[in-house]
Amino acid sequence: RKEVEQDPGPFNVPEGATVAFNCTYSNSASQSFFWYRQDCRKEPKLLMSVYSSGNEDGRFTAQLNRASQYISLLIRDSKLSDSATYLCVVAGRGGGNKLTFGTGTQLKVEL
Amino acid sequence: EAQVTQNPRYLITVTGKKLTVTCSQNMNHEYMSWYRQDPGLGLRQIYYSMNVEVTDKGDVPEGYKVSRKEKRNFPLILESPSPNQTSLYFCASRGTTDYEQYFGPGTRLTVT
Repeated sequence: RKEVEQDPGPFNVPEGATVAFNCTYSNSASQSFFWYRQDCRKEPKLLMSVYSSGNEDGRFTAQLNRASQYISLLIRDSKLSDSATYLCVVAGRGGGNKLTFGTGTQLKVEL
Repeated sequence: EAQVTQNPRYLITVTGKKLTVTCSQNMNHEYMSWYRQDPGLGLRQIYYSMNVEVTDKGDVPEGYKVSRKEKRNFPLILESPSPNQTSLYFCASRGTTDYEQYFGPGTRLTVT
């Protein structure tokens, strides 16, 4: 079983749609959780951190369920510019610089 | 401007010819890492460094070397590249207070 699992997609949605991505992680000792965005052939960039209480940044909402070891990202009113690959990232306890990346979910927003 | 730079951005080489990919950051970050990204496998950590002269293996270190003689630089060395090292490589850095990684623009390496 992979440490961090994501549905690879692609998710093809019309502009204005609401889309949700899920991610599961296997290490129950994981401490911190993030969503990164990666545009085609570019470097990943931090989209948002994920907190147990859930957090929102504009059209983006992230949720963490520790009991189920599950992370989600909801994008409302999707824009063409949201087209990218979304990477789920999990950080372990200690271990220096250990971040584990999911393989990513590809989103394509269409007119 | 805060950034991580890598050079070269694109490299085509032949099996066995030693190469170095440079990485430099201007944010005074302690932590630096190298990743490779392959289709279906995602980003995998090759090596990381927690500070000058402190390096450690990541998940896929075989065939790679690194050094950290200065805080800002973290070169990746392939002593004898092989075709299975054809990949997209990213250097990244972060500080000690949070986990946000800043990535370089990537180096696309092809080994024939």
